[in-house]
Amino acid sequence: AQSVSQHNHHVILSEAASLELGCNYSYGGTVNLFWYVQYPGQHLQLLLKYFSGDPLVKGIKGFEAEFIKSKFSFNLRKPSVQWSDTAEYFCAVNALGNQGGKLIFGQGTELSVKP
Amino acid sequence: EPEVTQTPSHQVTQMGQEVILRCVPISNHLYFYWYRQILGQKVEFLVSFYNNEISEKSEIFDDQFSVERPDGSNFTLKIRSTKLEDSAMYFCASKRAGGNSPLHFGNGTRLTVT
Repeated sequence: AQSVSQHNHHVILSEAASLELGCNYSYGGTVNLFWYVQYPGQHLQLLLKYFSGDPLVKGIKGFEAEFIKSKFSFNLRKPSVQWSDTAEYFCAVNALGNQGGKLIFGQGTELSVKP
Repeated sequence: EPEVTQTPSHQVTQMGQEVILRCVPISNHLYFYWYRQILGQKVEFLVSFYNNEISEKSEIFDDQFSVERPDGSNFTLKIRSTKLEDSAMYFCASKRAGGNSPLHFGNGTRLTVT
């Protein structure tokens, strides 16, 4: 069965610090990978996605993620965080061929950015 | 940009009662989903719906739950005889056809069972 693991439950950073949130998945086949963000009181929003091609994908708000197939990882990065990045971040996986698009989510990482 | 809308934003109900959570997916989307997130836990898949029938459901989605698309726009989740452990945030999502299209989520309905 597919599963997604996010290493950090809660990350606290100061503004301008660099961010890296870990995500590993378990699935032997080809996958689509996603990072979603949930700002306080708001719905899940897509930050970025990887389907194929360049393993380094860029998303909105200066976020990027790198797919490393050999490590089954899809870590999220941002060189310099802002207070407005305070949110919960979810990594998600969809097994390719699943046209229904069911996502398996990680447990989420809460990011708190201190001004 | 079109959005998935969910109503109500917060529903409080007594144990044993039935609730219906409502969702209006994006109009040209064909796949519909319900997910839930119990406080402090993962977002969990409940059910997917395509072509007017359930295409996949999780083990959480037992006989207590049902989904319906009663007209061309609404997509509902009914929970019969609610239990305390049904308290969670319930998210509706939809997507266009094609494996490369992402899910779009609604704001969620917070269900509190007392």
